[in-house]
Amino acid sequence: DQQVKQNSPSLSVQEGRISILNCDYTNSMFDYFLWYKKYPAEGPTFLISISSIKDKNEDGRFTVFLNKSAKHLSLHIVPSQPGDSAVYFCAASGTGTASKLTFGTGTRLQVTL
Amino acid sequence: ETGVTQTPRHLVMGMTNKKSLKCEQHLGHNAMYWYKQSAKKPLELMFVYNFKEQTENNSVPSRFSPECPNSSHLFLHLHTLQPEDSALYLCASSQEVDRGSNQPQHFGDGTRLSIL
Repeated sequence: DQQVKQNSPSLSVQEGRISILNCDYTNSMFDYFLWYKKYPAEGPTFLISISSIKDKNEDGRFTVFLNKSAKHLSLHIVPSQPGDSAVYFCAASGTGTASKLTFGTGTRLQVTL
Repeated sequence: ETGVTQTPRHLVMGMTNKKSLKCEQHLGHNAMYWYKQSAKKPLELMFVYNFKEQTENNSVPSRFSPECPNSSHLFLHLHTLQPEDSALYLCASSQEVDRGSNQPQHFGDGTRLSIL
């Protein structure tokens, strides 16, 4: 039973446009959410996180939105750049289990010229 | 120098071999983790160490044996592995495992393991 789901395995966006990556979760005990980016032959790189006490967190071109009632989070990248092409993983952890990150299967983003 | 370094990057071994994966972190963190990523599956947590003490074993078979001699080094000793153990093994570190605060985990580039 997958507790963190990324239902879109891939996404293609034109350079300069907005990329929106989605993630759904089922465990209501999750209270900390993260996005990681992964290039081929490299490990995941931490991108941005959000705690359940917030509904938005912004860092430069990256914004994460959290909708707790829908158990949904999204990552917005504006404007998208070719260097953003990578696999993006959503992850979550819960109160008292901060060490246990549960990951989604990832979405491959391709930013085209 | 990268924050979390894993060696070797690639490893091919037979089912009867014994080998070890090494992870070293230069971030001053106190918690270290082993993850497994199989094809088309999400990353799976295997082990967690906090201040050199193992705090989590996620029902991992005994043919995988972790060792954490200090907060900067983590090993994964492998013996009599099965073909289904072929995967990418990732090490990560974070400041510490603290139930009261959230800190991101930082990953190494992984060891790609193939079992013949």
